Amino acid sequence: NAGVTQTPKFQVLKTGQSMTLQCAQDMNHEYMSWYRQDPGMGLRLIHYSVGAGITDQGEVPNGYNVSRSTTEDFPLRLLSAAPSQTSVYFCASSPYRGSYEQYFGPGTRLTVT
Amino acid sequence: GQQVMQIPQYQHVQEGEDFTTYCNSSTTLSNIQWYKQRPGGHPVFLIQLVKSGEVKKQKRLTFQFGEAKKNSSLHITATQTTDVGTYFCAGPSGSARQLTFGSGTQLTVLP
Repeated sequence: NAGVTQTPKFQVLKTGQSMTLQCAQDMNHEYMSWYRQDPGMGLRLIHYSVGAGITDQGEVPNGYNVSRSTTEDFPLRLLSAAPSQTSVYFCASSPYRGSYEQYFGPGTRLTVT
Repeated sequence: GQQVMQIPQYQHVQEGEDFTTYCNSSTTLSNIQWYKQRPGGHPVFLIQLVKSGEVKKQKRLTFQFGEAKKNSSLHITATQTTDVGTYFCAGPSGSARQLTFGSGTQLTVLP
């Protein structure tokens, strides 16, 4: 199993550009989520999904969209990038029953200039 | 909304010294999790505590969940350079599987 994979590893955008961060998992987990990590602020939840076709907002959803057409994939779209979105983005997955343990991908480091 | 606070934010120790990080929640938690993130890496799950007053050990790491299920601690005995990283606690929030993470404690171990 590859676990949780994310692409790209690094990205530089100009203000106003849009892009999609990819996330995939091969563990058949129902729950998937996106976090952003900024220095000194821990991990903050952006959006999450409890299964294909179902998504919901987390703590900091503004400026981001998600969709969940399959169990495996959960892309994060930045609609119009802003410097405040410079951050490290982590995707995570978890089985919906049993332990709340979350499996994280390797992250995408995004810089918006 | 729920808040999870973690102290200290930074800790420098000499190799061989002990280390403790504390986690406090504004609400009672059904469970608490601990994660470790190495520099440049991603968070990796360490353990989940569920019961009031629960204590679990993993080699030199001891995890405790408070009696009121609102606080937790991670204690590392005789730190090693391999313990370097940021330790996060996280508690469930909302009706699904959302987690609220503490801001983390960054541990530096000096050789």
